[in-house]
Amino acid sequence: DQQVKQNSPSLSVQEGRISILNCDYTNSMFDYFLWYKKYPAEGPTFLISISSIKDKNEDGRFTVFLNKSAKHLSLHIVPSQPGDSAVYFCAASRSNSGYALNFGKGTSLLVTP
Amino acid sequence: DAGVIQSPRHEVTEMGQEVTLRCKPISGHNSLFWYRQTMMRGLELLIYFNNNVPIDDSGMPEDRFSAKMPNASFSTLKIQPSEPRDSAVYFCASSQNTGNQPQHFGDGTRLSIL
Repeated sequence: DQQVKQNSPSLSVQEGRISILNCDYTNSMFDYFLWYKKYPAEGPTFLISISSIKDKNEDGRFTVFLNKSAKHLSLHIVPSQPGDSAVYFCAASRSNSGYALNFGKGTSLLVTP
Repeated sequence: DAGVIQSPRHEVTEMGQEVTLRCKPISGHNSLFWYRQTMMRGLELLIYFNNNVPIDDSGMPEDRFSAKMPNASFSTLKIQPSEPRDSAVYFCASSQNTGNQPQHFGDGTRLSIL
């Protein structure tokens, strides 16, 4: 069963606007959440993470929000750039599982000029 | 700095053959993970090691799959015998296992079993 879900397979945003990617999870034991970015023929690249003790983490244009009660997290990219076009994966782990990651199926983001 | 290195990048072989995928983790990382990506199931964990010891192999699909980590700088994932449904992209990732540390991925091996 899929414990991490990304319900939007794709998203298209204009350059300069905000991109919002969403992720839901079902396992309340998850305590560490990450976003990865993936280009074709490359491995996933770590983007940003958040611990369950926080509800927001920022790194430049990227902000991750965590809503534990709703079991929901989101990634905001502001402003979006054409180079941000990629597949974004949400992942979650439990600290007592060696941090093995459970991935969503990804959202393909297209940023148009 | 060298990232996680996987070889080969592509492998095409006939069903029934043995396939060996290789991974060199980032130096200093003591956790290593093998994942498989398919259209149907997305990215799923197969097995992971801490300090060269297999910790959880519950994701390994069948006995045809085996993984080893003989030392801190090398791991293999072997499929014997291979079947067409094993066709996928296999990723290796490594991390430090101290607290919340992100995993760093290799570029994967695209495996096609004919």
